[in-house]
Amino acid sequence: ETGVTQSPTHLIKTRGQQVTLRCSSQSGHNTVSWYQQALGQGPQFIFQYYREEENGRGNFPPRFSGLQFPNYSSELNVNALELDDSALYLCASSLRLAGGPGDIQYFGAGTRLSVL
Amino acid sequence: AQKITQTQPGMFVQEKEAVTLDCTYDTSDPSYGLFWYKQPSSGEMIFLIYQGSYDQQNATEGRYSLNFQKARKSANLVISASQLGDSAMYFCAMREANNFNKFYFGSGTKLNVKP
Repeated sequence: ETGVTQSPTHLIKTRGQQVTLRCSSQSGHNTVSWYQQALGQGPQFIFQYYREEENGRGNFPPRFSGLQFPNYSSELNVNALELDDSALYLCASSLRLAGGPGDIQYFGAGTRLSVL
Repeated sequence: AQKITQTQPGMFVQEKEAVTLDCTYDTSDPSYGLFWYKQPSSGEMIFLIYQGSYDQQNATEGRYSLNFQKARKSANLVISASQLGDSAMYFCAMREANNFNKFYFGSGTKLNVKP
């Protein structure tokens, strides 16, 4: 167990709706990253939060947004859901030390979102 | 260009045998990190092993070892003495020092361990 928890585990929404996914980081971790994993593919980086500020973003439109709270937990919000948003959404936490490439990310079990 | 390439969509291995999962990467950053993760059907990505670009020795963690060939830009995962519980998806990932907030994943390899 990594200590990273995500909720809910499964979610069904319809096109056009909005959704909020939640992530609780591993104790002591100050950085949270979110990933989208479509069926049969590797995870794609959405964005990262470090000390409550967005700290990098992948190729995702602005309708994907997030928050990080003072306790380092995080939310991913997706507006105007599209069918292609159906995927497993993974949250990963890490402790940023020197900000180098070696910080290990620990993942939660994900939220499986289905958009109908 | 793809940052991480995993060319084996699926692999079979007999229980107790060793297996190598291939990974090649593409970067011009001299400082980078390479990671392997295991993803069982439950969905959680489990960290297995890490190799830094400046590390002189290949990383090992229990039954996992990373065959790092820098000139070839390859970072193959070797699992020794395969167990039935090793059946899962395996992902290779990379982070560059100049872009350290992004993790690049490959498309994964599905490993099936046969009894």
